Amino acid sequence: SQELEQSPQSLIVQEGKNLTINCTSSKTLYGLYWYKQKYGEGLIFLMMLQKGGEEKSHEKITAKLDEKKQQSSLHITASQPSHAGIYLCGAVLNAGGTSYGKLTFGQGTILTVHP
Amino acid sequence: DTEVTQTPKHLVMGMTNKKSLKCEQHMGHRAMYWYKQKAKKPPELMFVYSYEKLSINESVPSRFSPECPNSSLLNLHLHALQPEDSALYLCASSRFAVRETQYFGPGTRLLVL
Repeated sequence: SQELEQSPQSLIVQEGKNLTINCTSSKTLYGLYWYKQKYGEGLIFLMMLQKGGEEKSHEKITAKLDEKKQQSSLHITASQPSHAGIYLCGAVLNAGGTSYGKLTFGQGTILTVHP
Repeated sequence: DTEVTQTPKHLVMGMTNKKSLKCEQHMGHRAMYWYKQKAKKPPELMFVYSYEKLSINESVPSRFSPECPNSSLLNLHLHALQPEDSALYLCASSRFAVRETQYFGPGTRLLVL
């Protein structure tokens, strides 16, 4: 099984609708990162969460970290076609040692926004 | 500025060729990374450099040879690749290798014939 599970795998919404993407870890999280990727391009950093209960917002995107549940959610309000892409959560799943710097990613959520 | 640049953008090579991918950042970051991403899959870590020294090699075949000539540059030398090595190769950098945000370049799309 995956160390980071993202759901849903794909999402199709009408412009203006709200949506939520979830990321659940099977291990203790030592940092949770959200990235967006257009197909065939690099990853664009969205937000980083480190503390349980932490919540960050940027424009219409809000991310929350529930450390006890080892889960994070990404919420987009009033979606626009520009929000379309692949959303990836990434996490540091080990405290240090030989694994420091290693970012493990979820499988990604493909978001389509219809005008 | 959080820009990481990668060249070339696209690369086609035969299985007997030798080529190199280049990555550059001028943010003063001391950690740099190579990832491999196959279609419809998430990026997978290949190598981590910290202070110009290789700190993680994720059991990558020796036909991939990383090099960090200085704190701003990261190269990936390719030799005798296989068609299954065709993928998007992503470079990233962060201030340090521990729990710091990694900033990614646009990637090099590699096709091995």
